[in-house]
Amino acid sequence: NAGVTQTPKFQVLKTGQSMTLQCAQDMNHEYMSWYRQDPGMGLRLIHYSVGAGITDQGEVPNGYNVSRSTTEDFPLRLLSAAPSQTSVYFCASSYSIAAKNIQYFGAGTRLSVL
Amino acid sequence: DAKTTQPPSMDCAEGRAANLPCNHSTISGNEYVYWYRQIHSQGPQYIIHGLKNNETNEMASLIITEDRKSSTLILPHATLRDTAVYYCIVRVGQGGSEKLVFGKGMKLTVNP
Repeated sequence: NAGVTQTPKFQVLKTGQSMTLQCAQDMNHEYMSWYRQDPGMGLRLIHYSVGAGITDQGEVPNGYNVSRSTTEDFPLRLLSAAPSQTSVYFCASSYSIAAKNIQYFGAGTRLSVL
Repeated sequence: DAKTTQPPSMDCAEGRAANLPCNHSTISGNEYVYWYRQIHSQGPQYIIHGLKNNETNEMASLIITEDRKSSTLILPHATLRDTAVYYCIVRVGQGGSEKLVFGKGMKLTVNP
């Protein structure tokens, strides 16, 4: 039981490049979400999903796309990377939307955009 | 979500109990107290939550005052690996906004 797995752990991009941050969970959790963490800003919600085929925007969705084709996977796509997207990205999951206050986080992806 | 107040930091000796306070004087009847921690460079980790009764699990105990205006997270035998930022969060049990707001939290340093 691996929990929430994020890949890659580190990534450096050039401005304008695109990439996908992977997130997978093996706990059969309905609810998944993506946060970014910047110094002094706490965690900010980017996108979330309440089940396969259903996604919605969080508070900072611009520049990011998500999809949820399976229960297990919730990839985050950066369409055209910008230096402002330099951050640590965390994926999280919880058993259900009713239990979304108990979230299990991945180890994070540290992204630098030059 | 009700506002919480935590001291910015505290120290604890290894092997001793660490008592982490949190004030939430505006908590409403359907709001729970949740505790998370974030060890340096890692993702946040859920610890425990409660409504009004004291709760205990394998990681910690949560003591909530009778008026529910404050609570204390207790790590009974702190180890060096418990050094982390601890977040006290008040949330409605179900429904409510999607976003977990972690705030600034409290840095616990466990010293050898």
